[in-house]
Amino acid sequence: DIQMTQSPASLSASLGETVTIECLASEDIYSNLAWYQQKPGKSPQLLIYDASSLQDGVPSRFSGSESGTQYSLEINSLQSEDAATYFCQQHHDYPPTFGGGTKLELK
Amino acid sequence: QVQLKETGPDLVQLTQTLSITCTVSGFSLTTYNVHWVRQPPGKGLEWMGAMWNGGGTDYNSAFKSRLSISRDTSKSQVFLKMNSLQTDDTAKYFCARQIAAPLYVMDAWGQGASVTVSS
Repeated sequence: DIQMTQSPASLSASLGETVTIECLASEDIYSNLAWYQQKPGKSPQLLIYDASSLQDGVPSRFSGSESGTQYSLEINSLQSEDAATYFCQQHHDYPPTFGGGTKLELK
Repeated sequence: QVQLKETGPDLVQLTQTLSITCTVSGFSLTTYNVHWVRQPPGKGLEWMGAMWNGGGTDYNSAFKSRLSISRDTSKSQVFLKMNSLQTDDTAKYFCARQIAAPLYVMDAWGQGASVTVSS
C-alpha cells in the first residue's frame, strides 16, 4: 500500500495568517492527491482533488500544490471556521490511503 | 440534494457481525460509486471498500474475507457487513459518494455510524 506521511500533526495559527500542511507519498502518485477537512463530530468534506483542483463551493483561500512526491495544502487568510483536522488521501492506486491528519487550531 | 445516512447498531459483541445500511438520496446508485470508510476514535481514516455503480465490489485486503458490501438499488441502499468483530473494529463507519472522476475521491459523506465492539 502507498504510505502517506502528513506533517505537522498539529499547528496553531492566528486569524488572517497563512498556513501550509504537507503530505509525502511513499511513491509517485502522479498528482492523484485529495485533501479533506473534518470538523469535530462531523464527516470529512472534500476540498481539493488531483492535487490542485478546487471542489465546487470551496473558498479560493484553499489551494493545493505539489513538488515530486510532496504535496501541500495552503490556507490563506485564516478564518475561524478553518479550525479543523485536515487529511490528505492518495487516489492513484488501490487501496486509497490517507495521511494521519493535521489538527489546525486558531489562536 | 445529495444525502447519505448510515444506520446500524451502537454496540456489537466481540466476534459477532456488524451490519450497517447506507441510505442515499439525490443520486442514483447505478450512476455513482459508493465507498465505505471508517475512523477509530481520535484516529485517521481507513478505506474499507466500494460498491461500483455497475454492481461490482472491491475490498481493502486488510479486511481479508471479513467484509461484504451489497446494495438494493430499488431502495437506494448500500449495505456493509463485517464479521468476527474485534475491539479494534470500534470506529465510526462512513459511507461516501465518489465523484464522477477520478476514482476514490469522495464528495459527499454520511454523518457516520458509531460502533463500539464490546467484550
